[in-house]
Amino acid sequence: QPVLTQSPSASASLGASVKFTCTLSSGHTNYAIAWHQQQPEKGPRFLMKLNSDGTHSRGDGIPDRFSGSTSGPERYLTISSLQSEDEGDYYCQTWGSGLLVFGGGTKLTVL
Amino acid sequence: QVQLQESGPGLVKPSETLSLTCVVSGYSISSGSYWGWIRQPPGEGLEWIGHVYHFGTTDYNPSLKSRFTISVDTSKNQFSLKLSSVTAADTAVYYCARLNGEYMDVWGKGTTVTVSS
Repeated sequence: QPVLTQSPSASASLGASVKFTCTLSSGHTNYAIAWHQQQPEKGPRFLMKLNSDGTHSRGDGIPDRFSGSTSGPERYLTISSLQSEDEGDYYCQTWGSGLLVFGGGTKLTVL
Repeated sequence: QVQLQESGPGLVKPSETLSLTCVVSGYSISSGSYWGWIRQPPGEGLEWIGHVYHFGTTDYNPSLKSRFTISVDTSKNQFSLKLSSVTAADTAVYYCARLNGEYMDVWGKGTTVTVSS
């Protein structure tokens, strides 16, 4: 079963860019993942599916300020032109052998 | 536009059985897809509980004790979660979601469940 590792927190200034990292465990480094956003006091929202080759497909209505990329076992989510409503928690999620797994989440503070 | 709406009792006593329902609108469950439940204890991250396919096959998180049962009712376009013998550790926000392949692409807004006597 894959394990996903995320840093617990990140911060960036309004209008800047921020990059989140999600690291896949050994033996699962070619897995695709999904990124989900959870704004404060709200339910999660699907952002994108990110394949091992770096190609990604965003969810309905997700602006192109959100992009994904890949390097080895690491999966990235980059948000450009940060806005105040981007503040919240960001989770990566993957699957294997019929089981679904979430990373621990990264809390984004927009300064 | 696909929408999911959870409903449940809000407050459950320890040792009782919790029942939650997720009503799907804008999409027919019979068309396919997996339908899942995820929970989030206060101040913690997301935890996948399990999911059901439209004709009833299920998968569950093996790290959770086998107290969960997920079922689907295509005639009502909804699916359900039952959790037996609840304890305070089951206090959480419970979300339902549609799975597009193996990831959630549509989420409900969540329903809060508190286990307390």
